[in-house]
Amino acid sequence: KNQVEQSPQSLIILEGKNCTLQCNYTVSPFSNLRWYKQDTGRGPVSLTIMTFSENTKSNGRYTATLDADTKQSSLHITASQLSDSASYICVVLLHSGTYKYIFGTGTRLKVLA
Amino acid sequence: DTGVSQDPRHKITKRGQNVTFRCDPISEHNRLYWYRQTLGQGPEFLTYFQNEAQLEKSRLLSDRFSAERPKGSFSTLEIQRTEQGDSAMYLCASSSEISTGRNSPLHFGNGTRLTVT
Repeated sequence: KNQVEQSPQSLIILEGKNCTLQCNYTVSPFSNLRWYKQDTGRGPVSLTIMTFSENTKSNGRYTATLDADTKQSSLHITASQLSDSASYICVVLLHSGTYKYIFGTGTRLKVLA
Repeated sequence: DTGVSQDPRHKITKRGQNVTFRCDPISEHNRLYWYRQTLGQGPEFLTYFQNEAQLEKSRLLSDRFSAERPKGSFSTLEIQRTEQGDSAMYLCASSSEISTGRNSPLHFGNGTRLTVT
């Protein structure tokens, strides 16, 4: 079964600290993996998109890694800010005739002052 | 702002009523998706269009749900005879695979929050 699992489910950190969110997937065949940030009451916004040949991709203070062999990805947030408080969703695109996206349930991050 | 636009942002309706939501994708995006999201969960696929053709519809979607994209531009999602279990955020997303293929980002609107009382 094609699944995307994320951990932890929720996380609380202090402003300025770093954190790492995990994503494990069993999607096959794999096309690419995406990380999205979703603020409360708003739609998800794309942070990174990685194909199987990319190990690392950065977007400002966000760095995503991908290990296609172990089917694991992580999202590292450096020097967290209050505005980083949001849900972070890992999404895998199935490599098939249809454009089918498999979503994780997200990690809810809370950054405290 | 030329992002994905959804209307209305909030809808409160009584059980049994019909509701219709509208999505205006980014101009010239050929693919359009509808998702449903409940609290603490990731978006759940409902259906998607390539231009005006509805290419896939989730088996989870009952026959009370219908979506259209008549001219390959905006789309509507209608729910007939609403039930309390339909209460959720309904998200629309669009993408264009013309330029970067499968690596194109999926752009989401801010959703329509439906509450069925």
